[in-house]
Amino acid sequence: AQTVTQSQPEMSVQEAETVTLSCTYDTSESDYYLFWYKQPPSRQMILVIRQEAYKQQNATENRFSVNFQKAAKSFSLKISDSQLGDAAMYFCAYRSAGTSGTYKYIFGTGTRLKVLA
Amino acid sequence: DTGVSQDPRHKITKRGQNVTFRCDPISEHNRLYWYRQTLGQGPEFLTYFQNEAQLEKSRLLSDRFSAERPKGSFSTLEIQRTEQGDSAMYLCASSLVQTYGYTFGSGTRLTVV
Repeated sequence: AQTVTQSQPEMSVQEAETVTLSCTYDTSESDYYLFWYKQPPSRQMILVIRQEAYKQQNATENRFSVNFQKAAKSFSLKISDSQLGDAAMYFCAYRSAGTSGTYKYIFGTGTRLKVLA
Repeated sequence: DTGVSQDPRHKITKRGQNVTFRCDPISEHNRLYWYRQTLGQGPEFLTYFQNEAQLEKSRLLSDRFSAERPKGSFSTLEIQRTEQGDSAMYLCASSLVQTYGYTFGSGTRLTVV
């Protein structure tokens, strides 16, 4: 069974600085997708960035980028120029490509990011 | 269409009562998912539908839980004989078959007293 581990329950970053959130996963599959979702307090989860496992190039979305290391099964999220609005719970998630017949996400336990003014 | 809607936002119920939650997905999305999130944890998969067919159920979905998606539109999640351990946020999400990113609703927070 696949697992997702986020070992940092909480992180803090100064406004305008850069922070990296860690995520490791375990799977025996070769084709899958990885995601980072943001959950602000009392608000819905929003997709931040996604990575297809077959792509070697790391995904980038504006200030958000990932460091995808497939062999190490590592998927970290880097937030550059942190803003107060980035404060939220961040979840790493895994999804099979579907060849195993499942489309569910497997989430980590989350990292709470605090942005200090 | 403004996104995935869930109703109610909050529900407080006495132990042993039945509760039903509703999810209205984005209209063109044919996949619909239910997750449960307890405090300090990531969401856990409960079940998903493709159109009106329920294609996968988690072992978390005990006999007291049932979900439906009549006509492939909105979905309901019913919990019978609620227990205190059912207290959680219940999240609904939807997606298109050919995409792999979900759109989540704001969730229904259930408190069993």
